[in-house]
Amino acid sequence: DIVMSQSPDSLAVSLGERATINCKSSQSILYSSNNKNYLAWYQQKPGQPPKLLLYWASTRESGVPDRFSGSGSGTDFTLTISSLQAEDVAVYYCQQYYTTPPHAFGGGTKVEIK
Amino acid sequence: EVQLLESGGGLVQPGGSLRLSCAASGFTFSSHAMSWVRQAPGKGLEWVSVFSGSGGYTFYADSVKGRFTISRDNSRNTLHLQMNSLRAEDTAIYYCAKNVGYNPQYFDFWGLGTLVTVSS
Repeated sequence: DIVMSQSPDSLAVSLGERATINCKSSQSILYSSNNKNYLAWYQQKPGQPPKLLLYWASTRESGVPDRFSGSGSGTDFTLTISSLQAEDVAVYYCQQYYTTPPHAFGGGTKVEIK
Repeated sequence: EVQLLESGGGLVQPGGSLRLSCAASGFTFSSHAMSWVRQAPGKGLEWVSVFSGSGGYTFYADSVKGRFTISRDNSRNTLHLQMNSLRAEDTAIYYCAKNVGYNPQYFDFWGLGTLVTVSS
């Protein structure tokens, strides 16, 4: 099974500053036939269900602000919030969908305001 | 507007059973794989089970295999999760999640969840 790991577990960033979250898969999730990375990012605010932010590692879901961006390929990926806003306080999860089952999630990264 | 409404959670004793339901609306239910994902109190997300669109196949996490059964009724736009032989470690919020497309991929919409507590 593919194992997803995230770092750091938590980070505190000042308003307006950049937040960077890392996600690593235990094996490549790049499908060579279509050159797509099978990785999604979700945001979960306290007391709410997760919300899809990005898929195919870097494609923003409709309505997601452009301060959220994704990068990386193969086994190493990054979610960047370019200018942290108060409403971005949440836990962020990566998830691979290269293999099923299971749909493995990373352990989550908690983002707070410094 | 896509809506997913879970129901059926509650307090159950270890070894007991519960049946969760998810009522879907706002999209062509039969064309999408549907999943259950759970979250233990204060913990991360754990995928539990998936049923492909139009009833093709099912998969389960190892932690629930043989105890949980996923089913769907495309005529009623409803997803179910029959949970038997429940354990304390099954305590969690259970989310119904819509997969993009017929086959399991990422989840583009989640319900609000239903809480299952396994305790004596």
